[in-house]
Amino acid sequence: DVVMTQSPLSLSVTLGQPASISCRSSQSLIYSDGNTYLNWFQQRPGQSPRRLIYKISDRDSGVPDRFSGSGSGTDFTLKISRVEAEDVGIYYCMQHTHWPTTFGPGTTVDIK
Amino acid sequence: EVQLVQSGGGLVQPGGSLRLSCAAFGFTFGNSWMGWVRQTPGKGPEWVANIDADGGQTYYVDSVKGRFTISRDNAERSLSLQMSRLRVEDTATYYCATKGGSFWGQGTLVTVSS
Repeated sequence: DVVMTQSPLSLSVTLGQPASISCRSSQSLIYSDGNTYLNWFQQRPGQSPRRLIYKISDRDSGVPDRFSGSGSGTDFTLKISRVEAEDVGIYYCMQHTHWPTTFGPGTTVDIK
Repeated sequence: EVQLVQSGGGLVQPGGSLRLSCAAFGFTFGNSWMGWVRQTPGKGPEWVANIDADGGQTYYVDSVKGRFTISRDNAERSLSLQMSRLRVEDTATYYCATKGGSFWGQGTLVTVSS
């Protein structure tokens, strides 16, 4: 199975400041069709996960443009340009290039 | 509006069975791969099963192979997960989701305990 790792595992950010989360996969996530199926999710306490970013950098409908994704191959990054109070939660990367689909351990973001 | 509305779940003894259901609204269900994901407190989610759009192909993570069965009824716009020979370690909140996680159900708690 593809192992997903994230760093840091927790992040305390001042409101209005940027935040960055790294995600690495144990093997390349480039699929045979040329796409890289690496997604980012936000999970607030007591809620279902919400997808923010798909295929490395495509933002889902309704996701604020302060969220952006980048990377390639095995190294990926989620950036929040200016953290707001509503961004508190756990962020997961997930790959579905290879079966089984696997998630990172999560990064907890809170406000300093 | 896309909605995935789950039902089922609850408390079951080890070795028992349980069926989860998921009703889909607001998107072309019959064209969409679907899956079931579970999550235990303090851990990342685990994607346990997928089914292709017409139900002809199913995929399972090793830990549930031979015990869980994913199925769908496109006419009823519904997805199911039949769980048998349940173990204590299957205790989790279970979510139905579209492939890739674009949409998720509200989650349902399954507790396996004597």
